[in-house]
Amino acid sequence: QVQLQESGPGLVKPSGTLSLTCVVSGGSVSTNHWWSWVRQPPGKGLEWVGEIYHSGTTNYNPSLKSRVTVSLDKSKNQISLELSSVTAADTAIYYCTRAPYYDNYWGQGTLVTVSS
Amino acid sequence: DIVLTQTTLSSPVTLGQPASISCRSSQSLVHSDGNTYLSWLHQRPGQPPRLLIYKISNRFSGVPDRFSGSGAGTDFTLKINRVEAEDVGVYYCLQATQLITFGQGTRLEI
Repeated sequence: QVQLQESGPGLVKPSGTLSLTCVVSGGSVSTNHWWSWVRQPPGKGLEWVGEIYHSGTTNYNPSLKSRVTVSLDKSKNQISLELSSVTAADTAIYYCTRAPYYDNYWGQGTLVTVSS
Repeated sequence: DIVLTQTTLSSPVTLGQPASISCRSSQSLVHSDGNTYLSWLHQRPGQPPRLLIYKISNRFSGVPDRFSGSGAGTDFTLKINRVEAEDVGVYYCLQATQLITFGQGTRLEI
């Protein structure tokens, strides 16, 4: 059974860079799937951040594209997210997930707060 | 960018009664490969979302058959045949025809 676990700092200062990792167990990031990051501000809806394929091909939400990098480390079997120049509007629960449009593997999410 | 707009349920829903949620897309969701990548997810408080329906009408493994999806092009519907207490939460439509977009969510209360 594939399991995903997000981790990273829970507090990031404004204008700083948010960095998260998602460790995949019970499966390989090298398989033919897209891996996504999705975020959810407290009390609000879901927003897709970006995705990466095992080949390294990426797609990003156009509204975040200039600030987002999603990467994949096959040796560690993990996916990473970097979001630069953060503001309070980036405060959210960040989920990693495998192909949310046809699969049902989600991490439990990690809350990241942007505050000084 | 594709925008998905969901309807609001007239709350609360009565146990055992049907419920229907609509999702309208700002453009056709038919992909060049002929598939329509419209999914429905359900999120309970404090939990990650879970997939219910993919490609308009295909129930994901383990999803009760009281859930069904329909639609085509730009208009899609999720129907719950007989609402049960565990169905409370927020329902989202998702499109993956052109990048990925979520609808704003529809809350179901009993």
